[in-house]
Amino acid sequence: GAVVSQHPSWVICKSGTSVKIECRSLDFQATTMFWYRQFPKQSLMLMATSNEGSKATYEQGVEKDKFLINHASLTLSTLTVTSAHPEDSSFYICSARETSGSSNEQFFGPGTRLTVL
Amino acid sequence: GQQLNQSPQSMFIQEGEDVSMNCTSSSIFNTWLWYKQDPGEGPVLLIALYKAGELTSNGRLTAQFGITRKDSFLNISASIPSDVGIYFCAGQSGAGGTSYGKLTFGQGTILTVHP
Repeated sequence: GAVVSQHPSWVICKSGTSVKIECRSLDFQATTMFWYRQFPKQSLMLMATSNEGSKATYEQGVEKDKFLINHASLTLSTLTVTSAHPEDSSFYICSARETSGSSNEQFFGPGTRLTVL
Repeated sequence: GQQLNQSPQSMFIQEGEDVSMNCTSSSIFNTWLWYKQDPGEGPVLLIALYKAGELTSNGRLTAQFGITRKDSFLNISASIPSDVGIYFCAGQSGAGGTSYGKLTFGQGTILTVHP
């Protein structure tokens, strides 16, 4: 149980285009999902907290107009990188916290590798 | 924001050796977690610690939650080649406020095991 998927697993796009990444909780409901970014050989940095039915909470320094988050259902959150540039190339990882669970455990997706040319 | 200091940054060991890594923080966390990440994949939870002073084992892995709630260590005994990967500590904030449940990750320890 507690499986989180991400789609796509990798994407290559041209500079200036927008890319949408999906995060799904497959066998549980998740009111809260988190989006992280990881540059090569670096740690995971939290970008934003996504809450179903409400606006996402962004970490300091993360542009909300550039990284659009939509959490329209209890099993799906999407991250859209708008007008992507080469510096946005990174590994994007989501995690989901079970709504009905008694713990705060976050279950991580397998990540999405974004390369912007 | 908050930062965790994780050390060492990397380790090169022989199969069968024991490994130890640790994390320290300037802030108190309610939960300490240790994850392993393989290349191109998301992190996988190894051990979760919920109480100051707690010592928890999971097979060859042992981790402790420091008494001050500002540090934790992870030991791996009798390492094997499949232990290769990046190990991250993470501190989790407690209940209440906008920081509820958020994870702050350490910089990671890259482990290489030579057969």
